[in-house]
Amino acid sequence: RKEVEQDPGPFNVPEGATVAFNCTYSNSASQSFFWYRQDCRKEPKLLMSVYSSGNEDGRFTAQLNRASQYISLLIRDSKLSDSATYLCVADMEYGNKLVFGAGTILRVKS
Amino acid sequence: EPEVTQTPSHQVTQMGQEVILRCVPISNHLYFYWYRQILGQKVEFLVSFYNNEISEKSEIFDDQFSVERPDGSNFTLKIRSTKLEDSAMYFCASTWGGDSGYGYTFGSGTRLTVV
Repeated sequence: RKEVEQDPGPFNVPEGATVAFNCTYSNSASQSFFWYRQDCRKEPKLLMSVYSSGNEDGRFTAQLNRASQYISLLIRDSKLSDSATYLCVADMEYGNKLVFGAGTILRVKS
Repeated sequence: EPEVTQTPSHQVTQMGQEVILRCVPISNHLYFYWYRQILGQKVEFLVSFYNNEISEKSEIFDDQFSVERPDGSNFTLKIRSTKLEDSAMYFCASTWGGDSGYGYTFGSGTRLTVV
């Protein structure tokens, strides 16, 4: 079983749509979780950390369910500039190692 | 906003040659990392470094790889004898806190092409 698993997509959505990405992780001992965004041939950029209580940053909402080992990202009112690959990331060993999912491709179209 | 700086942005080398990839982490960060991403594949962990020693390394990080923090600012990844399969984007990252709740900042990467 993959350590961090994501639906690869692509998700093709119109501007203004709401889109949700899901991610599961296999190691129940994982400590911290993140969503990163990666544009083509660029470095991953931190979008947001994910907490059990859920957290929101503008149009983005992240949720963690430790019991189900499940992480989600919701993007509301999609913009063309949201087009990118969204990476679900788990910290497996107290800051020593991040494990990346393969990424979910989002394409927002006008 | 503070940045992680990597040089060079692109390096082409012949198989069997040694390469050194350079990184300048964010100045008050304490934990440093190298990751790589083969074209079309996911980002993979190579090594973590704290307090002047390796904290964790992956199976990819074999005897051909080494890391060093030669001074207070640079963090380098050396590949002693490059192979074709070492061709990838190499990302340096740093973070302030070991529990990683602060998130990691990645550099813009070095694209290594082994021919």
